[in-house]
Amino acid sequence: DAKTTQPPSMDCAEGRAANLPCNHSTISGNEYVYWYRQIHSQGPQYIIHGLKNNETNEMASLIITEDRKSSTLILPHATLRDTAVYYCIVRVAFNNAGNMLTFGGGTRLMVKP
Amino acid sequence: EPEVTQTPSHQVTQMGQEVILRCVPISNHLYFYWYRQILGQKVEFLVSFYNNEISEKSEIFDDQFSVERPDGSNFTLKIRSTKLEDSAMYFCASSEGQGAKFFGPGTRLTVL
Repeated sequence: DAKTTQPPSMDCAEGRAANLPCNHSTISGNEYVYWYRQIHSQGPQYIIHGLKNNETNEMASLIITEDRKSSTLILPHATLRDTAVYYCIVRVAFNNAGNMLTFGGGTRLMVKP
Repeated sequence: EPEVTQTPSHQVTQMGQEVILRCVPISNHLYFYWYRQILGQKVEFLVSFYNNEISEKSEIFDDQFSVERPDGSNFTLKIRSTKLEDSAMYFCASSEGQGAKFFGPGTRLTVL
């Protein structure tokens, strides 16, 4: 699976959009971009994933650049409860192995009042 | 909304004792996983389980560890003889296919 690079920390004002970047310059054509978050030692929470098109769900939007070498997770109206570590993970969608996720250090997002 | 549940939430044990951590995955899911997170460190993959057998395991998952799906609903992680360094949060996860995984709240294991 391709390596990802994320800033270690970011701040965001409550009510504003939080834009979390991720670089994955070595991504392969069959690798998806997944985003998870972990709120203070709770279990990681799935947010969204995509291959090449932009995706949106009730939690967030995922913008993937045309060359797929980077992506941005957007939380449109951040709340204090969005304070968490956000992980960008790139992995092959289907393989014969165990389908594991490799977590890096992530971005610690602090939403401030 | 269906969710993964884990019991107990906190387990304290003496070094050398056996522990069994329990998980109930989401009911229609077919893939099951254990991860762990030592305090202050990254979330680490331990093992994945599909079709009643281990499909992948990490170097951490040595002979002291085993997994089992004893019935149609539970998925367990057994540590045969616990060591101090096994102290961590253990997260169970499940997925319907090879896509998004849904994690449980974790079991905090403390080995004394």
